[in-house]
Amino acid sequence: GAVVSQHPSWVICKSGTSVKIECRSLDFQATTMFWYRQFPKQSLMLMATSNEGSKATYEQGVEKDKFLINHASLTLSTLTVTSAHPEDSSFYICSAPPGTANLYGYTFGSGTRLTVV
Amino acid sequence: GNSVTQMEGPVTLSEEAFLTINCTYTATGYPSLFWYVQYPGEGLQLLLKATKADDKGSNKGFEATYRKETTSFHLEKGSVQVSDSAVYFCALSDQAAGNKLTFGGGTRVLVKP
Repeated sequence: GAVVSQHPSWVICKSGTSVKIECRSLDFQATTMFWYRQFPKQSLMLMATSNEGSKATYEQGVEKDKFLINHASLTLSTLTVTSAHPEDSSFYICSAPPGTANLYGYTFGSGTRLTVV
Repeated sequence: GNSVTQMEGPVTLSEEAFLTINCTYTATGYPSLFWYVQYPGEGLQLLLKATKADDKGSNKGFEATYRKETTSFHLEKGSVQVSDSAVYFCALSDQAAGNKLTFGGGTRVLVKP
């Protein structure tokens, strides 16, 4: 089946630094990628939708300048948390939706646990 | 907008007990419905899905039936195992909403031996 490889699986960074999270579709082309955030013991909240070749669409309340999303190619989408602060500590998950290039259904990355100290 | 409501946990059961997790939804269109499972420290795995009314999704002993009349998609398993301990998420996708997945709040299930 389809695989989305997400890296890193966990990262610890200092306040004020930036962290990049990558999601790669390994055996299919992901023209769209959904980025979710999950706080401890809570559900997944959609942050933004990235589309290859165009600007990302952000959900209401998500800071575009803080969470930079780039969909550089049909197999790579990245989320950069800029000037990270402890309140950005969370579990971030990407997901590629089904489509003509992905016949396997919604495919999730394994998630990235970000801890900002 | 679309929304998913599922029963809050945690749900604590003994091995071989019957499990039910309630899920109801609101949607403007004709959604597809999903159950995902998340084991500690991991991402989400699709457990089962149903794409239209009266469809029954099933996998690994779990079942859920798409009930349009009650806008529900309750998850059931007749005999749980310790390995079923996880967080379960009910979700829907709606083409009218750009195929975004909307998740319920999640239900933590703990199965004791």
